[in-house]
Amino acid sequence: GAVVSQHPSWVICKSGTSVKIECRSLDFQATTMFWYRQFPKQSLMLMATSNEGSKATYEQGVEKDKFLINHASLTLSTLTVTSAHPEDSSFYICSARDNRGGEQYFGPGTRLTVT
Amino acid sequence: QQQVKQSPQSLIVQKGGISIINCAYENTAFDYFPWYQQFPGKGPALLIAIRPDVSEKKEGRFTISFNKSAKQFSLHIMDSQPGDSATYFCAASKRGSGSRLTFGEGTQLTVNP
Repeated sequence: GAVVSQHPSWVICKSGTSVKIECRSLDFQATTMFWYRQFPKQSLMLMATSNEGSKATYEQGVEKDKFLINHASLTLSTLTVTSAHPEDSSFYICSARDNRGGEQYFGPGTRLTVT
Repeated sequence: QQQVKQSPQSLIVQKGGISIINCAYENTAFDYFPWYQQFPGKGPALLIAIRPDVSEKKEGRFTISFNKSAKQFSLHIMDSQPGDSATYFCAASKRGSGSRLTFGEGTQLTVNP
């Protein structure tokens, strides 16, 4: 089956530091990946659409200079939370759109805690 | 504007019963309707999906019913099991939009033993 991995699965960082989260499609290629944020007991909130070889498209209200996205290859996208603050603490989830059939598969998520 | 409305918010079912979750959409351009299952602390997992050219799709105990004229679709879980207890999200997307998904609000399903 289609597998998407995320690394790290959880991270604790101090306020003001930057954190990078990796999203990999392990057995398929994905020109398009998506980054979501999820608060407890809520639905997924799309932050940005990541396209291989081009700039990411950010949703309204999401600061592109704070949440840097790089889609370096057809199997890897990274999200860097810069100058993290406690309010950035959340569950970040990526998904990858399979180039073959178009289905979207989600990673296991990354729990970020900013102290 | 919430383009996909999901109900109920929470659902309690006895083991062996049928769980039914409903979604309604507004955008007639949507042409792909997946359901995701999410356990606490995990990412959503694709459960089953349907396109509007069929009215029903069944995979094991999971069935999607789709009503194009009413702009509604539902997930039926037959013979519900305690292991099915999770949050379920419906979603919709349209071609040409980069396949970005519009999610429903989610349904917390509890199956009692």
